[in-house]
Amino acid sequence: NAGVTQTPKFRILKIGQSMTLQCTQDMNHNYMYWYRQDPGMGLKLIYYSVGAGITDKGEVPNGYNVSRSTTEDFPLRLELAAPSQTSVYFCATLAGTGYGYTFGSGTRLTVV
Amino acid sequence: DQQVKQNSPSLSVQEGRISILNCDYTNSMFDYFLWYKKYPAEGPTFLISISSIKDKNEDGRFTVFLNKSAKHLSLHIVPSQPGDSAVYFCAATSALNAGNNRKLIWGLGTSLAVNP
Repeated sequence: NAGVTQTPKFRILKIGQSMTLQCTQDMNHNYMYWYRQDPGMGLKLIYYSVGAGITDKGEVPNGYNVSRSTTEDFPLRLELAAPSQTSVYFCATLAGTGYGYTFGSGTRLTVV
Repeated sequence: DQQVKQNSPSLSVQEGRISILNCDYTNSMFDYFLWYKKYPAEGPTFLISISSIKDKNEDGRFTVFLNKSAKHLSLHIVPSQPGDSAVYFCAATSALNAGNNRKLIWGLGTSLAVNP
């Protein structure tokens, strides 16, 4: 049982490049979230989805886009990478009850 | 505006002693609180939670205490073990989010080091 899988684990981007961070879950969870964690900071919510076809902005959505065409996948898109987007990105899922999120292992992104 | 505050960035304790991690919140609408644990290069994992209808919840070596009047909660780890060394995040939410987006509001974390 893979749980939440994030790819890639590491990536270095040049300013202005674009990329997609992948998140896939096999738990059939409805809720999915993208967070970023900057050094010494807590988790900031970028985007979230309460089910396939439904997405909404979190606290820090600027510079990012998401889609949720299936229950399993919730990719995060960076269109024009900026140094301020250097961070560790975590994808998380949640079943229909409770608040025990399941997190992926993260993607460490550096924009130079 | 940090609605969930963990004022101690780090804590160091000896193996076998008690670790106490603190968390304060400002939003009186919060009624459910959680602690997550995070090791380096891994995602956070859920540890323990408490509802505002309780003032204590215990799970093995981990106990969370809630003081609603003070808007304060704490996580006690007894006895502390070297494997408990990690960053601990406090998170909160409200019933308004229960049927909606289930978003959590996170503290900045406290790094616990348990020394052998």
